[in-house]
Amino acid sequence: AQKVTQAQTEISVVEKEDVTLDCVYETRDTTYYLFWYKQPPSGELVFLIRRNSFDEQNEISGRYSWNFQKSTSSFNFTITASQVVDSAVYFCALSEGPYGNNRLAFGKGNQVVVIP
Amino acid sequence: GAVVSQHPSWVICKSGTSVKIECRSLDFQATTMFWYRQFPKQSLMLMATSNEGSKATYEQGVEKDKFLINHASLTLSTLTVTSAHPEDSSFYICSANTEREGNSFLETQYFGPGTRLLVL
Repeated sequence: AQKVTQAQTEISVVEKEDVTLDCVYETRDTTYYLFWYKQPPSGELVFLIRRNSFDEQNEISGRYSWNFQKSTSSFNFTITASQVVDSAVYFCALSEGPYGNNRLAFGKGNQVVVIP
Repeated sequence: GAVVSQHPSWVICKSGTSVKIECRSLDFQATTMFWYRQFPKQSLMLMATSNEGSKATYEQGVEKDKFLINHASLTLSTLTVTSAHPEDSSFYICSANTEREGNSFLETQYFGPGTRLLVL
């Protein structure tokens, strides 16, 4: 069974601080995909990144960066120099299988509050 | 792109009535559609998976007679909440995947904007 754990529930930071969101996953599959989504108050899910199980290369995209480590089953997400617009709930998710478009198991989410 | 729409975006109904939510893939054919439910301040939980022309597969604990799913075409799936009660009030989100060629399509699923249901 697939499982995603996001231990921190709510994280408050002052604007311009960095914030790291932890994600630990469990799966018996050898091929799988990991995702991060942002959910602003409107509710719509905004796709941020996906990674397949064969690609452990870390990635930076603007103020966002991701650290994928299979050895610890973690896929952590960092927002650098946070801004008020980053305030949202962030979900880590796992899709088992070779394509990444299969059913998703979501973590409980991290509520990020950026204080101006 | 790959756009998924949902209708309605908001619905308020009286207890005991049935509510239908539509999920449409606007510019692609959806091989599979997924229905998720999100209670306030909680995570998204998969309710069911549907493939065009076949019966939906429901997750454990989801009543298939209460949440009727019809996937009549490759671009439309509907979720009907029958005899809705206040505990069914939630945010319902659909997503769709496709077999369109190209890794970017195969590697993800596309989410609709969600439907907020409030049952009084």
